[in-house]
Amino acid sequence: EIVLTQSPGTLSLSPGERATLSCRASQSVSSRSLAWYQQKPGQAPRLLIYGASSRATGIPDRFSGSGSGTDFTLTISRLEPEDFAVYYCQHYDSSRTFGQGTKVEIK
Amino acid sequence: EVQLVESGGGLVQPGGSLRLSCAASGFTFSTYSMNWVRQAPGKGLEWVSYISSSGNTIYYADSVKGRFTISRDNAKNSLSLQMNSLRDEDTAVYYCARENGATIYGYYYYYGMDVWGQGTTVTVSS
Repeated sequence: EIVLTQSPGTLSLSPGERATLSCRASQSVSSRSLAWYQQKPGQAPRLLIYGASSRATGIPDRFSGSGSGTDFTLTISRLEPEDFAVYYCQHYDSSRTFGQGTKVEIK
Repeated sequence: EVQLVESGGGLVQPGGSLRLSCAASGFTFSTYSMNWVRQAPGKGLEWVSYISSSGNTIYYADSVKGRFTISRDNAKNSLSLQMNSLRDEDTAVYYCARENGATIYGYYYYYGMDVWGQGTTVTVSS
C-alpha cells in the first residue's frame, strides 16, 4: 500500500508570498494518479490539481502542480487571503489514499 | 446544477448499524464512479470505499472492510453506504464524491474527485 507523506505539517506565510507544499510517495507512482485538494473549515474538499499538474475547472493559475516518481509539489505563486486552508495530496490505485495534509496559515 | 446530497447520519451506539445515502443530480450518474470519504473530528481525509459506474468493481479501506458495504442504484441516481458493527473510531463526517476519469488506449487517466457533497455526520457513542 502506498503511503503519502506531506510536508511541512504547517506553513506560516503572509498574503502575497509563495507557498510550496510537498507530497512524497512511499514508492514510485504514475503522475496520472496524483491529485491535490483544498479544504477550508466546515467545507467539503475542492479539487485543485489532477494528473500531478493539470488544474481543475475554475482553479486560478496561481495554483500549479509538478513532480514525478515519488516527489510531487503544489505551488501557490502568490497567496491570496482565500488560499489559507488545508491542502491534501491524493493517489489513486485500488485505493484512493490521502496524505495527512498541510495547513497553510496566516503568519 | 451538479450536486451530491448526503443523508442518513446520526448518533448510534457501538456495534450498531447505519445506512448513508447520497442523492446525485445534474449529471449522468450512471457514467461516473463514486467514492465515500470520511473525516474524523480535527483529523485529515480518509478514503473509505469506491464503486465503479456499473457497480461491478468495489474497493474498501482496510479499516472498514467486512463491516461496510457500498452500493448504487443508477436508476435512482443514488449511492449508499451500509455501515455495520460501528466503532468509536468510525465517528466522522462522511462525504460522497464523484470520481472523474477516462480510459484511453487501455490506460486509466484519473481526473480526481471533482464533485463533493456537503457531508453527513456519524457519531458512534454509548
